[in-house]
Amino acid sequence: EPEVTQTPSHQVTQMGQEVILRCVPISNHLYFYWYRQILGQKVEFLVSFYNNEISEKSEIFDDQFSVERPDGSNFTLKIRSTKLEDSAMYFCACLGAPSTDTQYFGPGTRLTVL
Amino acid sequence: AQSVTQLGSHVSVSEGALVLLRCNYSSSVPPYLFWYVQYPNQGLQLLLKYTSAATLVKGINGFEAEFKKSETSFHLTKPSAHMSDAAEYFCAVSPNAGGTSYGKLTFGQGTILTVHP
Repeated sequence: EPEVTQTPSHQVTQMGQEVILRCVPISNHLYFYWYRQILGQKVEFLVSFYNNEISEKSEIFDDQFSVERPDGSNFTLKIRSTKLEDSAMYFCACLGAPSTDTQYFGPGTRLTVL
Repeated sequence: AQSVTQLGSHVSVSEGALVLLRCNYSSSVPPYLFWYVQYPNQGLQLLLKYTSAATLVKGINGFEAEFKKSETSFHLTKPSAHMSDAAEYFCAVSPNAGGTSYGKLTFGQGTILTVHP
């Protein structure tokens, strides 16, 4: 079964540094999402992406965050200047044929900001 | 806007006992509903989904859920718990139509299921 992959599995960074989290969605899927889960809390929607532009973003997704699909396969989330409160598990997800109602999640990247 | 409430952040059952995890939703549009399971240090795995077909939905690992529109509920059940069912379970809702929120999942707070021998 096709799967979503994410790299790295764990990223440790210093506060104020830029990080890029990478995702390779399922190849024929067209809708892409990032979610995050702070330790012990629920999964929260960050942003959705379709047709090379953001469809919707949450209040969490401020100017420090950006997403892009640079090469038609990877889907990246960039945090320009990380804060302590950005420490969380970040999940990539995608949606597309044949099941257009179910998102498939990657295994996540655990981001630790020191 | 959509929201999900999961009643009970922790549920503890004995092995072989009935599992019941409660989920109520609020949605201004007809929803799709999902249950995901998360094992420690792992990602989210889809257990089952309701997408406007049969209201009683069967999923993996013996779980099932019933969509009750009148009660705005989508409770998850399993007749007999196994030790391997111990995990965190998330109920989620998404719009069932297109638009900018297409596919966007709104999750509940999660319920940690503990299974005692």
